[in-house]
Order: sequence, then structure tokens, then C-alpha cells
Amino acid sequence: AQTVTQSQPEMSVQEAETVTLSCTYDTSESDYYLFWYKQPPSRQMILVIRQEAYKQQNATENRFSVNFQKAAKSFSLKISDSQLGDAAMYFCAYRRGSGNTPLVFGKGTRLSVIA
Amino acid sequence: ETGVTQTPRHLVMGMTNKKSLKCEQHLGHNAMYWYKQSAKKPLELMFVYNFKEQTENNSVPSRFSPECPNSSHLFLHLHTLQPEDSALYLCASSQERMSDTQYFGPGTRLTVL
Repeated sequence: AQTVTQSQPEMSVQEAETVTLSCTYDTSESDYYLFWYKQPPSRQMILVIRQEAYKQQNATENRFSVNFQKAAKSFSLKISDSQLGDAAMYFCAYRRGSGNTPLVFGKGTRLSVIA
Repeated sequence: ETGVTQTPRHLVMGMTNKKSLKCEQHLGHNAMYWYKQSAKKPLELMFVYNFKEQTENNSVPSRFSPECPNSSHLFLHLHTLQPEDSALYLCASSQERMSDTQYFGPGTRLTVL
């Protein structure tokens, strides 16, 4: 079974600084997708960024970028120029690429942004 | 505005009560999902509906009963719940079943006394 591990329950960053959230996963599949979701206090889950495993290039969305290390099964999220609105729970998720399979989520990392 | 709404946002119920959670998506999607989010546990998929047909039931107890009358609406009927069922219940939708891009609602915070 696939598992997703987020080893940092809590992280903090100064406003305007950069922070990296860690995620590792376990799978024997070669075709899969990885995601980072953000859950602010409003409780709404918001897709931040997505990475296809077959793509070597790291995905980037504005201030958010990932460091995808397929061999190491690592998928970290880097937030640059952190803003107060970035404070939230961040969930890493995995989905097998073939067939109709569900998202598998990690337990999340709570990010605080200090003004 | 994500296009997925859930009501109520908060619900407190006794173990003998019957209540329903409602989810509505305004995105024209064909698949809808119920997730359970408990404290300090990963998000758990409960049910999946595709074109109003239930396609996944992840061993959810029968005290949770889903209903999908059309592709835009999803209900979760609750009866004789246990205190350990207290959690945040999230609804999501996507264009296709098990699509990687799912849009989540704000959730219903359920407390079972």
C-alpha cells in the first residue's frame, strides 16, 4: 500500500523568508501524481501544486515550487517570500496514475508565518 | 469562491439523533467525494460518486449513508453516531472520477456528544 509521510508536524517562517516543507512517499509504481494541498483556518482544502512523476522538471506555481526527487521518493514544497496568508495546514498527497485510485494524504504540516 | 459549498458548517448532535450533511458543487463536475478528517490522522476517503452512482465505499460503517440525487448534490445521512465519529467532513468534486484535481468544500465540523 502507498503511504505518504510528512515528518514535520509544525513549521514556522518569518514573513518574506523562504520555508521548505518535507514529504516522502512509498510506492512501487512508476506512474503516479503528487500534490500539495493547503488548508487554511477556513478548513477549505486548496490545491497548491501538482507534479506528474514522469516529468523531471519540478513544478512551479508563482511563489510555490517543489523539489521532486523520484529516486529518493521525496517531494518537498518550497514557499518563497512567505506571506501571512500562507499560514495553514499543508498536506502532501499521492495518487497512482493508472486506474481509478484515490488520493492518499499525509498527516499534514502546520505552517505559521511570523510578522 | 471554490464552487463547492457545504452546510451546515458546524453540527452538534447526540448519539440518537439523525442529521444530514449537504454538499453542492457549482462547477459542472461529474464526480463527488466524502472525506473524513480526524485530529492527527490523514484525510480518509469515505465515498465516491460518479454520475450519481456510488463507485467507492471504503468500509464505512452503515451509520453513514450517502445519497447523490444528481451530479451537483451530495448528502451524508447520519444516524446513531458514536463520539469517535466527531471530525471534519469534507466534500470534494472533480471533472472525472478519481481525478487528480479535486476541489474541496469548507467542511462540516461534526461533534457527537
